[in-house]
Amino acid sequence: DTGVSQNPRHKITKRGQNVTFRCDPISEHNRLYWYRQTLGQGPEFLTYFQNEAQLEKSRLLSDRFSAERPKGSFSTLEIQRTEQGDSAMYLCASSFDREDTEAFFGQGTRLTVV
Amino acid sequence: AQSVAQPEDQVNVAEGNPLTVKCTYSVSGNPYLFWYVQYPNRGLQFLLKYITGDNLVKGSYGFEAEFNKSQTSFHLKKPSALVSDSALYFCAVRDDSGGYQKVTFGTGTKLQVIP
Repeated sequence: DTGVSQNPRHKITKRGQNVTFRCDPISEHNRLYWYRQTLGQGPEFLTYFQNEAQLEKSRLLSDRFSAERPKGSFSTLEIQRTEQGDSAMYLCASSFDREDTEAFFGQGTRLTVV
Repeated sequence: AQSVAQPEDQVNVAEGNPLTVKCTYSVSGNPYLFWYVQYPNRGLQFLLKYITGDNLVKGSYGFEAEFNKSQTSFHLKKPSALVSDSALYFCAVRDDSGGYQKVTFGTGTKLQVIP
C-alpha cells in the first residue's frame, strides 16, 4: 500500500497524559499536513511541512501541540497534557510540491481523552 | 476570508437515480475547488478538483462536478447512484494565491442511497 499511513488508528488516554501520533506520507510527496476533525465538521488545518521545514501553524495548534518532520519523511504530532477537548480525529495528508495539487489523506488517528 | 457552504446536511436518493450534492463558495481570487468522500472512521478520499479549464470535471467512481462561476457553485453529481456511494462528502476551496494548506473544508453532506 503506497498511500498515507497513520499510527495508531485509535488511542484512548487519560486526561493529562501525553500522546504521540505518527504519519508516513506518500514517498514522493514533499508536503505534509496535519488536520483535526471533530464530529459534524470538516477537517481543520493544524500545520504544514515542506520537507523538514514547518512552514505554517494554525492558531488551533496550542502550545501543548508540537509537530516534527525531522528527516523530511515521516512526521509526528505530539499532544502534551491532553484535555477532553482534544478528543477528535487527527488526519495527516501529503501532496506534491506543486501549487495546483490536491492532497491525499491517511485514515486518521481517533483520539479519545477520558 | 474564504468560505465554503454545503447547504444540505443530508441528501437521500434512491438507488439508480441521479444524485446532486451542493456546494457554494466564496474566495477573493480564482477558486481551486475539491471534492472528497469519507467513509465511517476513515480518512478523506480525493474525488475530483477544478483548477482551470472545462467547467465540467470528471472524477473517480463516476462522479463529476460542474463549476459555475456566476453562481459560485461547484455541485457534485452522479448519473446513477449506488448504495455503496452512501458516505460523507466534503467540498473544499482555496484561492489561487496560496498552497494547499490554505484549503477550507465545508461541514460535509451525508449522502444516503436507499436500495
